[in-house]
Amino acid sequence: NAGVTQTPKFQVLKTGQSMTLQCAQDMNHNSMYWYRQDPGMGLRLIYYSASEGTTDKGEVPNGYNVSRLNKREFSLRLESAAPSQTSVYFCASRLQGGTTVTDTQYFGPGTRLTVL
Amino acid sequence: AQSVSQHNHHVILSEAASLELGCNYSYGGTVNLFWYVQYPGQHLQLLLKYFSGDPLVKGIKGFEAEFIKSKFSFNLRKPSVQWSDTAEYFCAVTGGSASKIIFGSGTRLSIRP
Repeated sequence: NAGVTQTPKFQVLKTGQSMTLQCAQDMNHNSMYWYRQDPGMGLRLIYYSASEGTTDKGEVPNGYNVSRLNKREFSLRLESAAPSQTSVYFCASRLQGGTTVTDTQYFGPGTRLTVL
Repeated sequence: AQSVSQHNHHVILSEAASLELGCNYSYGGTVNLFWYVQYPGQHLQLLLKYFSGDPLVKGIKGFEAEFIKSKFSFNLRKPSVQWSDTAEYFCAVTGGSASKIIFGSGTRLSIRP
């Protein structure tokens, strides 16, 4: 099991460029999440998907779009990158609705994005 | 709307000192609570979680947390810290059967050898 994988690991963009961050999980989890981590701000939820075919806004969705392509994959798109989107992005997945033992978020290794 | 507050932004302790990190949440219903740890250069890992039952929850590496419903708190404790506990610690909350999980701003823990 690879767990939660994210690509790319690092990316540098110029203001106005677009890109898609990819996330995949092989644990058959139903829920998936995108967070951004900034110093002093903790993790802030951008979007989440409770199940295949559904997506919902989190705390900071502006400037982002997501696609839950299938149960395994959940991508995050920046249509027109801005310097304020410089951050580390984490994807997570979770088996929601299972037992209290199994209901845990698992995180990917992160993507470090710099927007110039 | 749900929210999580971690008032200690940076805590510095000596080895063998006791640790308590504060976490307060805001949510109007049944809650599930989590503590995660992020070691330098690594991604988040679960330390412990509370769903129901005994409000004193024990996790990995000697950590524990107590859910106090009347205080909307879920503080993390460890009786004797080690240098290897140097990390950032995050509290998180979700409501009952909800999917949305919100994190606090984190507490950086530095341990002096």
